[in-house]
Amino acid sequence: AQSVTQLGSHVSVSEGALVLLRCNYSSSVPPYLFWYVQYPNQGLQLLLKYTSAATLVKGINGFEAEFKKSETSFHLTKPSAHMSDAAEYFCAVSDKGANNLFFGTGTRLTVIP
Amino acid sequence: EAGVAQSPRYKIIEKRQSVAFWCNPISGHATLYWYQQILGQGPKLLIQFQNNGVVDDSQLPKDRFSAERLKGVDSTLKIQPAKLEDSAVYLCASSLVRGNEQFFGPGTRLTVL
Repeated sequence: AQSVTQLGSHVSVSEGALVLLRCNYSSSVPPYLFWYVQYPNQGLQLLLKYTSAATLVKGINGFEAEFKKSETSFHLTKPSAHMSDAAEYFCAVSDKGANNLFFGTGTRLTVIP
Repeated sequence: EAGVAQSPRYKIIEKRQSVAFWCNPISGHATLYWYQQILGQGPKLLIQFQNNGVVDDSQLPKDRFSAERLKGVDSTLKIQPAKLEDSAVYLCASSLVRGNEQFFGPGTRLTVL
């Protein structure tokens, strides 16, 4: 069985501050891991994905995530928050391939000017 | 390139009524997914099509939910009869083939009164 846990349903940061959104996974097989962003009234957009290559994955909009097997984590970071980063972020896990995605409950990011 | 289209965007019905949602995937995408996103939760896969065949419907409540993709392009998801707990956003996604990145539509927000 596969699942993800996102710590913190709401995160607030000041504009220009570091963004850190936490995700821990559980998987009985080597996982594929994903971060998606959802803006209000829009569908989910893929930010980045880990598919067993480099453990540090760079995505769009300056986001990156590091796969740490020992910690079963895949935290999302961005060095400097921008107002446009305010959205809901979902971590997801799948087995080989992206056929069956299992999503976390999401973290709503607020950026304070 | 046009994205995944869904309609209607919003629907309000009373319990025990029927409702249908429509999805038009990205042109050429063979795989189509329907997800249910309940408020405060991550999306949960309901059903997955490969062309016009069902690949996975293990999470679809088949006593009230049905879905079809007759010509391997557009798809409809139906609920009959609706229950209060069906209130959610229904997301459609498509991918070129199974295992490729999934592209999400804006969703249909269903409210059951």
